[in-house]
Amino acid sequence: AAGVIQSPRHLIKEKRETATLKCYPIPRHDTVYWYQQGPGQDPQFLISFYEKMQSDKGSIPDRFSAQQFSDYHSELNMSSLELGDSALYFCASSSFTSLGTYEQYFGPGTRLTVT
Amino acid sequence: GNSVTQMEGPVTLSEEAFLTINCTYTATGYPSLFWYVQYPGEGLQLLLKATKADDKGSNKGFEATYRKETTSFHLEKGSVQVSDSAVYFCALSLYSGGGADGLTFGKGTHLIIQP
Repeated sequence: AAGVIQSPRHLIKEKRETATLKCYPIPRHDTVYWYQQGPGQDPQFLISFYEKMQSDKGSIPDRFSAQQFSDYHSELNMSSLELGDSALYFCASSSFTSLGTYEQYFGPGTRLTVT
Repeated sequence: GNSVTQMEGPVTLSEEAFLTINCTYTATGYPSLFWYVQYPGEGLQLLLKATKADDKGSNKGFEATYRKETTSFHLEKGSVQVSDSAVYFCALSLYSGGGADGLTFGKGTHLIIQP
């Protein structure tokens, strides 16, 4: 079965640079979520999109922005990178199920290292 | 706000032992509850879910029952295997229309199974 695709898988940037992470959801999923997971931490929700509109917002820094495109893929743009932005960034996708729920399926993650 | 509290590890058990990982939650509405598992260097995999009170989610020998009266969703397995060694996250999500809200995770429980 098709899974969530994230690219790149690894990314190394320097402080104050910009990074763009991409996410391709499972086909026919209409909602995309972004999470940040620091070393040894639980994932923290950043932002989500439903049908290309921002749906929910978590602890996303003002330096970050995201959008969902007409083909449902999503991009997370991160500017003025700081050392503390080094983390695993997960994308998840979901769609409404027959049980009336959303089940989020996660991609493999992008490991961002800021030096 | 919403929060999830789970026992933190590491939890070390011998193979074939009985497993319980406690999880309790607070939520502003009626959440769906999930257990996710993360193997080293990998993304999060949905292990099981429950969407309403007294529902029992089950998968791969793991079970958890949605207890609204005690706001709990404890994970259990009758006989663990070395391959169950991983980090387990309890999580909740609310549906506010137009895509579910981002997941709120517990801190994760590192499970180590010794042969």
